[in-house]
Amino acid sequence: GNSVTQMEGPVTLSEEAFLTINCTYTATGYPSLFWYVQYPGEGLQLLLKATKADDKGSNKGFEATYRKETTSFHLEKGSVQVSDSAVYFCALNHFGNEKLTFGTGTRLTIIP
Amino acid sequence: DAEITQSPRHKITETGRQVTLACHQTWNHNNMFWYRQDLGHGLRLIHYSYGVQDTNKGEVSDGYSVSRSNTEDLPLTLESAASSQTSVYFCASSDRGQETQYFGPGTRLLVL
Repeated sequence: GNSVTQMEGPVTLSEEAFLTINCTYTATGYPSLFWYVQYPGEGLQLLLKATKADDKGSNKGFEATYRKETTSFHLEKGSVQVSDSAVYFCALNHFGNEKLTFGTGTRLTIIP
Repeated sequence: DAEITQSPRHKITETGRQVTLACHQTWNHNNMFWYRQDLGHGLRLIHYSYGVQDTNKGEVSDGYSVSRSNTEDLPLTLESAASSQTSVYFCASSDRGQETQYFGPGTRLLVL
């Protein structure tokens, strides 16, 4: 079946540091890939997505590239801010069933 | 503005009691989902619905039920609450054929 494996965390970085959160997946066919973010006390919201190989999703300075050859969708940001502190979830959607499979989440804390 | 709401936001109950968590969306979305969020597990799908009178079991459906009598609402019922059901519950919705899900703010449930 489908599964998503992401970096365990927690991750603590200083402001303006470079961020990478790893995500790999297992799926048949060609799923769509997502990063969702959960700010403290809130529900999840879509951060970015990519629907086919080599696509790059981007939003709010975050980027992730759909790598079919390595079955990965790593999240990156060049310079993090305190306001980026949140839990980040990688997820996939297998074409046709409209359901999402989530990774376990990575808690990110940015210190000033 | 369209939104998805959950109530109550916090609930304490006792083992063996029946509990119902409400989810209401004004997006007019066909698809609705219930997840539970637990440390180390990320989000796991409990039940989902693709439209009125349609309900389906997710990966962790034991002890839970849902019904879909209209487009806007998908209440989640715990038939006989157990301590293992202490969790944070999220409702989400998406439009037919669309992969992006929109999440509610969550309900934190404690079963004593």
